[in-house]
Amino acid sequence: QTVVTQEPSLTVSPGGTVTLTCASSTGAVTSSNYPNWFQQKPGQPPRALIYSTTNKHSWTPARFSGSLLGGKAALTLSGVQPEDEAEYYCLLNYGGAQLVFGGGTKLTVL
Amino acid sequence: QLQLQESGPGLVKPSETLSLTCTVSGGSISSSGYNWGWIRQPPGKGLEWIGSVSYSGSPYYYPSLKSRVAISADTSKNQFSLKLSSVTAADTAVYYCARLSSGYDLRESYSYYYVDVWGKGSTVTVSS
Repeated sequence: QTVVTQEPSLTVSPGGTVTLTCASSTGAVTSSNYPNWFQQKPGQPPRALIYSTTNKHSWTPARFSGSLLGGKAALTLSGVQPEDEAEYYCLLNYGGAQLVFGGGTKLTVL
Repeated sequence: QLQLQESGPGLVKPSETLSLTCTVSGGSISSSGYNWGWIRQPPGKGLEWIGSVSYSGSPYYYPSLKSRVAISADTSKNQFSLKLSSVTAADTAVYYCARLSSGYDLRESYSYYYVDVWGKGSTVTVSS
């Protein structure tokens, strides 16, 4: 069974920069996994941020960006705001409709 | 503005079938270029992909749940549905419906889907 791994937790200071990563048990994450990133705050449904590695939705703040980094998918937040404190999930495509979520990263802004 | 709303029983007995419906407003599930999916989140845990159905009604299921899952679309009602059989306490979760939009990878000549719109979620508890 495919496992997608994210950092369980990260802490960043307001105004700082942080990078979250998403690794695959099958090997390097590539653009052909079409990585998605989502933000979820307590008691709310997830909100889509990034699709197909780097593409932002119309509502995605400019401080969020996606990339591939060292064989992993990455989400970078630049100029972190207090409201960015949330759980972040990646989603990878393994062909057809086989989609697998990562375990999530709890981001604390402190 | 597209909106998705889950509905169904909040309590299901063990070994029975969980049934949820997602009603889509502000758009048609028959429109090409979209799939419609289900995702769940057990209490205090992460997200788990369940499966999706295409605008033409073709379903796709996550392998570990495939034997118990059925997802279908009813274009006349602009709804799609999830049925999960033989439920246990491990199926207790918030169930989300979502829209998947399509993109085309020119380099790979491949159509891929990404989740862009989510419903608010429906809490389902499996208990006797």
